[in-house]
Amino acid sequence: GQQVMQIPQYQHVQEGEDFTTYCNSSTTLSNIQWYKQRPGGHPVFLIQLVKSGEVKKQKRLTFQFGEAKKNSSLHITATQTTDVGTYFCADQAGTALIFGKGTTLSVSS
Amino acid sequence: KAGVTQTPRYLIKTRGQQVTLSCSPISGHRSVSWYQQTPGQGLQFLFEYFSETQRNKGNFPGRFSGRQFSNSRSEMNVSTLELGDSALYLCASSYMTGRETQYFGPGTRLLVL
Repeated sequence: GQQVMQIPQYQHVQEGEDFTTYCNSSTTLSNIQWYKQRPGGHPVFLIQLVKSGEVKKQKRLTFQFGEAKKNSSLHITATQTTDVGTYFCADQAGTALIFGKGTTLSVSS
Repeated sequence: KAGVTQTPRYLIKTRGQQVTLSCSPISGHRSVSWYQQTPGQGLQFLFEYFSETQRNKGNFPGRFSGRQFSNSRSEMNVSTLELGDSALYLCASSYMTGRETQYFGPGTRLLVL
């Protein structure tokens, strides 16, 4: 079945460092949605990418969708302790979201 | 607007029992999806309902079932519980097609002993 691979599984950074998580698929992705889940919380929608090569920014967060629509990335500039959590990418398969396993980010001050 | 609500928030059951979880979507949202989250398998899609009809179904055994009522509230049922059913069960609602932004509820944490 359809699979969405996400790397790395874990990432620890010092506050102020940058962070990137990557999402890959062997098949063409329909559209990519990114979610953040804080420890003990639930996934919260961040953004949706639909077009090939699309780049969107939200303050310190930059989201990219690959030209071939087989990969996506989330980059956080100058991380803060409030960025801790697990970041998930998800492909839209009809009305279902196929999630990657997520990247858990920890930040030390 | 109130967010997605799920009840109960925590539940402990024993093997062989059955359980029913409830989800109330955001007002005006008609699509409700259910997901299972475990440390090993991550977030997995269970099913999606729209206008009281199951529109999409994930790869779970028949022990997992659901329904949606005319007010868009949804329930999911797991019969003959197994230890592996211990998980966080998340409900998500979206406006209409299920392809818009999904808003997740806080989840029901189920522990099967």
